[in-house]
Amino acid sequence: GQNIDQPTEMTATEGAIVQINCTYQTSGFNGLFWYQQHAGEAPTFLSYNVLDGLEEKGRFSSFLSRSKGYSYLLLKELQMKDSASYLCAATISSGSARQLTFGSGTQLTVLP
Amino acid sequence: DVKVTQSSRYLVKRTGEKVFLECVQDMDHENMFWYRQDPGLGLRLIYFSYDVKMKEKGDIPEGYSVSREKKERFSLILESASTNQTSMYLCASSTLGGPGVRGYTFGSGTRLTVV
Repeated sequence: GQNIDQPTEMTATEGAIVQINCTYQTSGFNGLFWYQQHAGEAPTFLSYNVLDGLEEKGRFSSFLSRSKGYSYLLLKELQMKDSASYLCAATISSGSARQLTFGSGTQLTVLP
Repeated sequence: DVKVTQSSRYLVKRTGEKVFLECVQDMDHENMFWYRQDPGLGLRLIYFSYDVKMKEKGDIPEGYSVSREKKERFSLILESASTNQTSMYLCASSTLGGPGVRGYTFGSGTRLTVV
């Protein structure tokens, strides 16, 4: 079966650094995505990790450890506009197509 | 700019009605997906399709059906809407090889309320 866990809510202060963790137990794992979703909007792509290690992209970085079934998204220099839900999603090979299996999302609130 | 377009942002339907949610993509993607999103439950896969006229059940297909008559269009059908189908519905698409390095492209969502 597939199981992806991430915290439900997090709060941080503008200008700070926050780390959102994600653990997964999936069969047929290929890679790990992070999406950002503002209220009432579609999820948008942030990062993709297929190899172990850290991928940095401006203020956002994502880390993957395949052996530990663990990933995190690191947001630096937080801004008010970073208040959103952050979705962790694992790519799995299942049946006739590769799919994404999503965690429940972490609602991040950035306070002034 | 590539797009996945869902025909309605908000819908209100009555219990027992047959409801059609339409999704169109202009990226020539082979794979298309329907998810519903509920607080605390995340995105759950209803159905997906990897080719015209092909469909596969996702994790929660009960009460739903789909249609893919053309490559660019994937329709979700609620045969007889019920209040527990009140939700946000998201359509997504991807290339044949899967999500690839950009993942899925999502539509803006349809918030369906069944009264």
